[in-house]
Amino acid sequence: ELKVEQNPLFLSMQEGKNYTIYCNYSTTSDRLYWYRQDPGKSLESLFVLLSNGAVKQEGRLMASLDTKARLSTLHITAAVHDLSATYFCAVDLNYGGSQGNLIFGKGTKLSVKP
Amino acid sequence: EAGVTQFPSHSVIEKGQTVTLRCDPISGHDNLYWYRRVMGKEIKFLLHFVKESKQDESGMPNNRFLAERTGGTYSTLKVQPAELEDSGVYFCASSQGNDYNEKLFFGSGTQLSVL
Repeated sequence: ELKVEQNPLFLSMQEGKNYTIYCNYSTTSDRLYWYRQDPGKSLESLFVLLSNGAVKQEGRLMASLDTKARLSTLHITAAVHDLSATYFCAVDLNYGGSQGNLIFGKGTKLSVKP
Repeated sequence: EAGVTQFPSHSVIEKGQTVTLRCDPISGHDNLYWYRRVMGKEIKFLLHFVKESKQDESGMPNNRFLAERTGGTYSTLKVQPAELEDSGVYFCASSQGNDYNEKLFFGSGTQLSVL
């Protein structure tokens, strides 16, 4: 069965701390996405990772991809309250083909407290 | 520039009724996708349009669901007749072309409750 597993599913952290969200997937894929969702809002694309060893950074968030281990990480550095949201990883099922048939993880609900 | 818009934002219907959800993609985006999230489960892919053609409809759950994209602009997703298990949030997304590195832009979703 094709699966994308995120952990943790819930994360409460203090401002200023660092933490990592993990995303394991069970199928071969050449595209992995990270999305952010605020309550009642749309999913916002954070990163698209395409190759083994890919690392992308935006502000306090850094995402990496290890296709051999089928693992992606989203690292949060010096968390601030504005990062509180639900974070999803998703893997594209259509290896080498058109995108969009995504397998999502259940999401990690992040709460950053002062 | 307007983002992906979905209408309605919420819909409450009774089992057996028909509901039609609408998605307006970002102007000029050829690709349009439908997904849904049933309570407590992951977001699931339903189907993918390229312009007016269905590229991939492997995620459509059954023949009670009908998606259309006449003219390659907005899309509708009709559920007829609705069942209790159809309750959830239906998301639409769009992307411009076939760039390998392309982002998908999502709408805010339609919360469907079937009673």
